[in-house]
Amino acid sequence: KNEVEQSPQNLTAQEGEFITINCSYSVGISALHWLQQHPGGGIVSLFMLSSGKKKHGRLIATINIQEKHSSLHITASHPRDSAVYICAHLPSPDKLIFGTGTRLQVFP
Amino acid sequence: EAQVTQNPRYLITVTGKKLTVTCSQNMNHEYMSWYRQDPGLGLRQIYYSMNVEATDKGDVPEGYKVSRKEKRNFPLILESPSPNQTSLYFCASSRAVYNEQFFGPGTRLTVL
Repeated sequence: KNEVEQSPQNLTAQEGEFITINCSYSVGISALHWLQQHPGGGIVSLFMLSSGKKKHGRLIATINIQEKHSSLHITASHPRDSAVYICAHLPSPDKLIFGTGTRLQVFP
Repeated sequence: EAQVTQNPRYLITVTGKKLTVTCSQNMNHEYMSWYRQDPGLGLRQIYYSMNVEATDKGDVPEGYKVSRKEKRNFPLILESPSPNQTSLYFCASSRAVYNEQFFGPGTRLTVL
């Protein structure tokens, strides 16, 4: 069983919709990464969270340490947001464990 | 430009033929790591390095070797590749595992 669970696995939306992607983890210290993998395969880091909330443009990430849960929100979604979104948590101070990703498609 | 480079980007090889995938970063990062990505399994960590001459196993180290003789380079070595090592490989670096991860462009390896 993966220590990191993401939901949903697949998500389709119309342009302009508010998107939420969830990530739960079972063990580990309280820090988590959100990554974006473009259709071409490249991976970029979006956020690293250890508490509270972070915002960058239309992206917002939150983490609840007690519930071991994080969410990634996209406001006013756009077709260019179509990508795979991956969360990764730190079970120890030197390793990352990844979720299997959420594939998002935003249609015009 | 700050970047992580990997070579080759694509490789088709045969079972048992030793190969090396190079990884280099120009950001003076201490932490470097190798991952493989397979459909349905996501990214899995192969090996990581906290600093020069300090490497450690990730979740799927079998069949792989690494070395970290210089801070900027972290090659991945497959001594005797097998078909189950066919995958998409990513190298990444960061100041520390808590910091923003910078990923290389990926190497698509096929072992026949």
